[in-house]
Amino acid sequence: EVQLVQSGAEVKKPGESLKISCTGSGYSFTSYWIGWVRQMPGKGLEWMGIIYPGDSDTRYSPSFQGQVTISVDKSISTAYLQWSSLKASDTAMYYCATPADGAVGRGWDYWGQGTLVTVSS
Amino acid sequence: SYELTQPPSVSVSPGQTASITCSGDKLGYKHVCWYQQKPGQSPVLVIYQDNKRPSGIPERFSGSNSENTATLTISGTQAMDEADYYCQAWDSSTGREFGGGTKLTVL
Repeated sequence: EVQLVQSGAEVKKPGESLKISCTGSGYSFTSYWIGWVRQMPGKGLEWMGIIYPGDSDTRYSPSFQGQVTISVDKSISTAYLQWSSLKASDTAMYYCATPADGAVGRGWDYWGQGTLVTVSS
Repeated sequence: SYELTQPPSVSVSPGQTASITCSGDKLGYKHVCWYQQKPGQSPVLVIYQDNKRPSGIPERFSGSNSENTATLTISGTQAMDEADYYCQAWDSSTGREFGGGTKLTVL
């Protein structure tokens, strides 16, 4: 069974750093791009970026370029999303997702349960 | 960045057909996926590569994509289909952009 398990909810203060994780199992972790998605409270889905665990090739949405860093440790089948200095506007649910195969336009079949990040002073 | 436009809301009576559109420049040249999201849950892929259904998705869900508009069609809409729906465009230049989402109400 394919699973993406994300790290638990976080409560942080503005200016603090944070790294959340997404651990894959039940499939060839290094073979498919993993995406990160933001959902602010009561709002829609926003694509943040994708990473290919096989070689760490990373693409960012222009909206998030320079605001976050996406990385991966393929030895433990885990992708990361990190911030160096959080803002209150980073308060959101964050999801990771991956496709069932590598075909172009395959869509994200598998999603993590989401990590709620709350940034408040 | 690439923009996808969806109607904020669509209403449909049970048993009728619901159509949700997604518009973008030359969208027909890109692959479009659709996701369903219910409150408090992670999104679920219902259509990929414009018109394909993942395993386990009912046949009443179908999709099309031509020129500047992609459409998600739900035939014989059921109460359980009430949810937010998001389109997503895939290609090497636009990445994985989402539309703003459409709230489907079944009443």
